[in-house]
Amino acid sequence: LAKTTQPISMDSYEGQEVNITCSHNNIATNDYITWYQQFPSQGPRFIIQGYKTKVTNEVASLFIPADRKSSTLSLPRVSLSDTAVYYCLVGDRAGFSGGYNKLIFGAGTRLAVHP
Amino acid sequence: GAVVSQHPSRVICKSGTSVKIECRSLDFQATTMFWYRQFPKQSLMLMATSNEGSKATYEQGVEKDKFLINHASLTLSTLTVTSAHPEDSSFYICSAPKYGTGDNNEQFFGPGTRLTVL
Repeated sequence: LAKTTQPISMDSYEGQEVNITCSHNNIATNDYITWYQQFPSQGPRFIIQGYKTKVTNEVASLFIPADRKSSTLSLPRVSLSDTAVYYCLVGDRAGFSGGYNKLIFGAGTRLAVHP
Repeated sequence: GAVVSQHPSRVICKSGTSVKIECRSLDFQATTMFWYRQFPKQSLMLMATSNEGSKATYEQGVEKDKFLINHASLTLSTLTVTSAHPEDSSFYICSAPKYGTGDNNEQFFGPGTRLTVL
């Protein structure tokens, strides 16, 4: 399983865009990149997943360069409620046939949003 | 999105007792579930993979006789911490993947169970 490296912590202010970069130099061909958000004393929550280029949903964008050795989670106009730990994971999304692989969490990035 | 529940949300027990934690997928079936443990200010550590109808697969360093896992149905997995000691105090989280027809076969996490062993 590919190991990921993220900044331990980041600080931002309300209304700013936050970009969290994750390095995964040993990502495999079948690996997808998934980001989760975790608030204190809660289970992680899925944010976004991608394989290459750019993926956007209602809460975030995920940018993946051509070599896929890194990815950047972009949170537009953060608010205080975005203060959380963000985890970047890579793993094989088995697809329709099942056999979902286990997720190994790295240290994550602790984002603090200030007023 | 899909919902995964855990029960209880928090439990306090005496040292030496056993504690059972339930993980349920409420609106989908899960042949596989995962159990994690998380200590304060640390990341989630995968403990084991729970397989419906077969034995669980434990990660290296996790005692299978200490942490008993039973996946008796397609919607329920249980983790029993046997003879709990204070060092077992932690936040236990389960997750279940839902195989979708779209691009995201994501995992859904339960809200966690806070175990405190006195």
